[in-house]
Order: sequence, then C-alpha cells, then structure tokens
Amino acid sequence: GQSLEQPSEVTAVEGAIVQINCTYQTSGFYGLSWYQQHDGGAPTFLSYNALDGLEETGRFSSFLSRSDSYGYLLLQELQMKDSASYFCAVYDNQGGKLIFGQGTELSVKP
Amino acid sequence: NAGVTQTPKFRVLKTGQSMTLLCAQDMNHEYMYWYRQDPGMGLRLIHYSVGEGTTAKGEVPDGYNVSRLKKQNFLLGLESAAPSQTSVYFCASSYSTPWGRYNEQFFGPGTRLTVL
Repeated sequence: GQSLEQPSEVTAVEGAIVQINCTYQTSGFYGLSWYQQHDGGAPTFLSYNALDGLEETGRFSSFLSRSDSYGYLLLQELQMKDSASYFCAVYDNQGGKLIFGQGTELSVKP
Repeated sequence: NAGVTQTPKFRVLKTGQSMTLLCAQDMNHEYMYWYRQDPGMGLRLIHYSVGEGTTAKGEVPDGYNVSRLKKQNFLLGLESAAPSQTSVYFCASSYSTPWGRYNEQFFGPGTRLTVL
C-alpha cells in the first residue's frame, strides 16, 4: 500500500524560513506533489518533483530524495498569508490515484 | 475561464435522502476526480474518470456513484445518505495523468454536506 507522513502542525514567525517534511511508502514511485489549502478552501497546486533535487518557484522550493523516500517543502520569507495547510501527495500505481498526506497546518505569527 | 465549479456549495440532508453533486470544468481536461475531506484526514479519493464515459473507484467508493456523460461534467451521487457521509466534497480535474509531468490538479471550491 501507500502511506505518507508529515507533521500535523508547524509554527513559525513572519520573515523566517520553514521546512515541512514528508516521508512516503509506495510500491512504485512517480513523483511527489505539494498542495496548499487556505481555511478549508480549494487546494491549489504548488510543486511536483519527479527527480531528485531541489525545484524552486519564487519563495517556495521543493526537494526530493528518492533513495530516502523523503521530500520537503521549503517556504522562505514567510508572510502571514502563508498560514495554511500543506499537503504532500504521491501517485498510487496500484490504484491509479493520487494519495494525499493528512496535511501540515502552518501558522505564521507576527 | 471559470475553472472548476461545484454546485451546490452547501447542503443538509436527512438520513436516507439522495442527492447529486455537480462538477463542471471548462479547461477541456480529460481527468476528473471526486474527493472527500474530513477533519485531520486529508483528501481521500472517492471516484475518478479518465475520460468521457469512463469512471473508476478510488479509495472510499462505497455509498457513492458517479457519471461522466459529458467531458466537462462529473456527477457524484449519494443514493441513501448516511451521517458518515457528512464531509466536504471537492471535485478536481487535470490535463494529465496523476503521474505525468503536467499532473497539476485544479480543485473546485467544495460542497459542504451535512447528513442528519
């Protein structure tokens, strides 16, 4: 089966850097995705890593290590609007579906 | 472009009642999905479709049915609602397969369903 683990909550201050980790177990790996969700609204896509290394998109970066079955989302220069839930997700090649982690709630304090 | 839209936004049902949730997308995406989200549970896939006229079961399909008669629409039906189906339901669509390079899923705003 497939499973993902990520911390349930993370707190950081405005302007800081925060890293949200995700470890996964899959029978076949195709890539790791990250989504952001504000206050129970529509989740929005942030990034996708299929290969090892760091992918940068503005203040957000995502890292993948396939040998460690591990990835993380790095948020720099935190802003209050970054307070949200962040989900990692992997493809389940046995079921043809995307499996989401339970989400990490990020609180950014002034 | 409206993206992905869902109707209704809110609904309260009594146990045993039926209803249909409608999802529409205007991005010409082949793939469409229905998820439910419960507190602390993340998103769980109910059913999905890889094209017009096709549907497949996800993680938690029991108690739900779906239809994709038109490419732009994906309907989720509850034949006999149960309190355990109280949840927020999200529809999503994507251009590519979940494992493809362009696999970004676009989500609708959600339907908040309460079953009494």
